[in-house]
Amino acid sequence: DADVTQTPRNRITKTGKRIMLECSQTKGHDRMYWYRQDPGLGLRLIYYSFDVKDINKGEISDGYSVSRQAQAKFSLSLESAIPNQTALYFCATSDLGGGGNQETQYFGPGTRLLVL
Amino acid sequence: AQKITQTQPGMFVQEKEAVTLDCTYDTSDPSYGLFWYKQPSSGEMIFLIYQGSYDQQNATEGRYSLNFQKARKSANLVISASQLGDSAMYFCAMRLTQGGSEKLVFGKGTKLTVNP
Repeated sequence: DADVTQTPRNRITKTGKRIMLECSQTKGHDRMYWYRQDPGLGLRLIYYSFDVKDINKGEISDGYSVSRQAQAKFSLSLESAIPNQTALYFCATSDLGGGGNQETQYFGPGTRLLVL
Repeated sequence: AQKITQTQPGMFVQEKEAVTLDCTYDTSDPSYGLFWYKQPSSGEMIFLIYQGSYDQQNATEGRYSLNFQKARKSANLVISASQLGDSAMYFCAMRLTQGGSEKLVFGKGTKLTVNP
């Protein structure tokens, strides 16, 4: 079974709709992240969380919100989706900072979102 | 500005040969981590290798090695004995921690094609 799972894997929605992307992990990691990937732009950080009570904005948080329901779950919401939010969204996890390879982020399989 | 630069949009290599994917970074922080990820056409992000800014030796993981030249701010990925399955997008990334906040910056990627 995959350590980091994302649901749904694909989603088509209409402008103005509210949608939620979910991420679960079984790695026991404290840190979780949401990224979006656009062609030619690489990955950009939307939000991250160091633990259940800690939520931080990333590079491109406008138009998004998150919820850390438990150590293992981190959800990303688009309150009112717009077409330029069409992208591939990744969830990632990493262990509590300890340096070295513990900083490595492990990614989920991604969610392809199309906003019409 | 803190950023990652991958100057090769695409690279071609013959099967069984070695290939170097370039990555340069820009930061004034003394502590940072450098990562390489592989993204095959199926879309998932696969962690390959990690190098810490204070690591004395270049990181190696099987056929992957990281040529870390701190003074030149470069962290090139070397893949030895290329295989057809190595054809994918490759992303270089840098992790920074500043005053408790976290920032992860990705390059725009290099598309590697391994020819038989």
